[in-house]
Amino acid sequence: NAGVMQNPRHLVRRRGQEARLRCSPMKGHSHVYWYRQLPEEGLKFMVYLQKENIIDESGMPKERFSAEFPKEGPSILRIQQVVRGDSAAYFCASSNGANYGYTFGSGTRLTVV
Amino acid sequence: DAKTTQPNSMESNEEEPVHLPCNHSTISGTDYIHWYRQLPSQGPEYVIHGLTSNVNNRMASLAIAEDRKSSTLILHRATLRDAAVYYCGDNQAGTALIFGKGTTLSVSS
Repeated sequence: NAGVMQNPRHLVRRRGQEARLRCSPMKGHSHVYWYRQLPEEGLKFMVYLQKENIIDESGMPKERFSAEFPKEGPSILRIQQVVRGDSAAYFCASSNGANYGYTFGSGTRLTVV
Repeated sequence: DAKTTQPNSMESNEEEPVHLPCNHSTISGTDYIHWYRQLPSQGPEYVIHGLTSNVNNRMASLAIAEDRKSSTLILHRATLRDAAVYYCGDNQAGTALIFGKGTTLSVSS
């Protein structure tokens, strides 16, 4: 059981470029969650998805950020036209449902230069 | 907005019990209470979760107040490997977990 797989582990982008972060949930899990962690800060909820549906995106910035979880393939968090303030660790988690424990991935550390 | 609060830091000695508190001021009747911990440069690790009654597993115990507005994570015998940032949270109206800002636990030998 490979757990939650996130790639890449580290991503460097220049200001204005696009960043695409991938998350493959644990086998059998159909609920995916994305969190952002700024340096020395806590975990901030961004978006909750089930297969092909966005359940809750109340934590997503209104512009430049989008997420999807297609029927086939990993969940993708996409950040367009990155700015230095987007530099952070982005964690994906998966579960069997809202009332079950989460399994987190190792994160993608995005650096915007 | 969800309001989950926990102390910034706590200290413990090795082999002593540790009680980490959390307040869940906006929790509703069907929201589960969760605890996770995070080591530097790693993803959060599941510790324990529950709804109403106290819960035990191999890692820890979770005590939930009768009104569910507070919970306590209990590490029965702290080890150096338990030094981490501990996050409590609850899932708002059955959606995603909203976490507190975390408690940094230091363990001294």
